Amino acid sequence: DTEVTQTPKHLVMGMTNKKSLKCEQHMGHRAMYWYKQKAKKPPELMFVYSYEKLSINESVPSRFSPECPNSSLLNLHLHALQPEDSALYLCASSRGGSGNTIYFGEGSWLTVV
Amino acid sequence: QQQVKQSPQSLIVQKGGISIINCAYENTAFDYFPWYQQFPGKGPALLIAIRPDVSEKKEGRFTISFNKSAKQFSLHIMDSQPGDSATYFCAGFSSGNTPLVFGKGTRLSVIA
Repeated sequence: DTEVTQTPKHLVMGMTNKKSLKCEQHMGHRAMYWYKQKAKKPPELMFVYSYEKLSINESVPSRFSPECPNSSLLNLHLHALQPEDSALYLCASSRGGSGNTIYFGEGSWLTVV
Repeated sequence: QQQVKQSPQSLIVQKGGISIINCAYENTAFDYFPWYQQFPGKGPALLIAIRPDVSEKKEGRFTISFNKSAKQFSLHIMDSQPGDSATYFCAGFSSGNTPLVFGKGTRLSVIA
């Protein structure tokens, strides 16, 4: 079982809603990530936090807002999403910086209606 | 420069057979090559990984073969089982520097 825990597992939200995805790891990892995965595609990197600071933002629209309250927690705040944002959102973590082996959570399935 | 090319896109193997998935990379700075296994509805799970100073790594029925001069590496699944049916992603990165670069994935179906 993965040691990266994501909640909720499933989320349905309207285009005007505000919701958040949450992620937690207790492996002592200092880098945390958000990926987006569409069906039959590889995960696409969205954000990287390294030592609780945002180090990579892959030109993600501002309707996605990451937050790293501490080294174990990572949130993704969602607002005014579009139906094409429906996807599996994966949280991951790694020891040290962004060039280390990444361990994924089970993901949060997001449907935007 | 950043791409990892993976083939085939899909693969059907008889139970007990050998499944082979191939990847090629372009970035010579890559120094770590993990493989991830993903079942439907689940996140990718790290399966096995190799560094380019090793030509082969074996863990149970899973073997990575690495050819540094050709910039290619492959995953071999021996005695393939229906439970191995999943999508497999190869990846590469430069340690301490760049995040993972994924291949496009291979959908493996092992039939009885």
